[in-house]
Amino acid sequence: DQQVKQNSPSLSVQEGRISILNCDYTNSMFDYFLWYKKYPAEGPTFLISISSIKDKNEDGRFTVFLNKSAKHLSLHIVPSQPGDSAVYFCAAGRGDMRFGAGTRLTVKP
Amino acid sequence: KAGVTQTPRYLIKTRGQQVTLSCSPISGHRSVSWYQQTPGQGLQFLFEYFSETQRNKGNFPGRFSGRQFSNSRSEMNVSTLELGDSALYLCASSLAAGQSYEQYFGPGTRLTVT
Repeated sequence: DQQVKQNSPSLSVQEGRISILNCDYTNSMFDYFLWYKKYPAEGPTFLISISSIKDKNEDGRFTVFLNKSAKHLSLHIVPSQPGDSAVYFCAAGRGDMRFGAGTRLTVKP
Repeated sequence: KAGVTQTPRYLIKTRGQQVTLSCSPISGHRSVSWYQQTPGQGLQFLFEYFSETQRNKGNFPGRFSGRQFSNSRSEMNVSTLELGDSALYLCASSLAAGQSYEQYFGPGTRLTVT
């Protein structure tokens, strides 16, 4: 039961450019959405979140956009840096979160 | 404040054996959730424990079980291991149940089944 989907397993961008990671969900009852970042040999760490009452949330170089009608959220990283290279997971839910399969981002110097 | 700790970090077992993984939550956190991470499947929810009671369970066979102790530490057990059980097992803690949007993850236990 894949309620949260990240259809791109990998993404490669040049340093300084924008990275856009996408995520789709199926349950319209979900009211909270998060992005986690995961480096090898470490657990996921919280990056940024958005609640369903908003359509955009910014934190420095990271912005999350939520389109409730399309059940779609995206994470924008501008400008991308080599240290951003990691696996990014989106999560959505209502209390109990469900995770996507992850997108491996590679930022090339 | 110490983070979530998991032991062991790496484990190699053979098919048919059983394994127990341990998780110590952040001090004061009473909810512990377990996830399985495999390539292509992302993080799949196994179960959540709160106050020594299983509160929620994902779609995994009965070979996967867990428990939580009075000090909130949790263990996960997998019996009759199969090759497909090879994965990274992550534990996450949060202050209360149903607040997995405020959970903190441990580094995981890498289980390899041969």
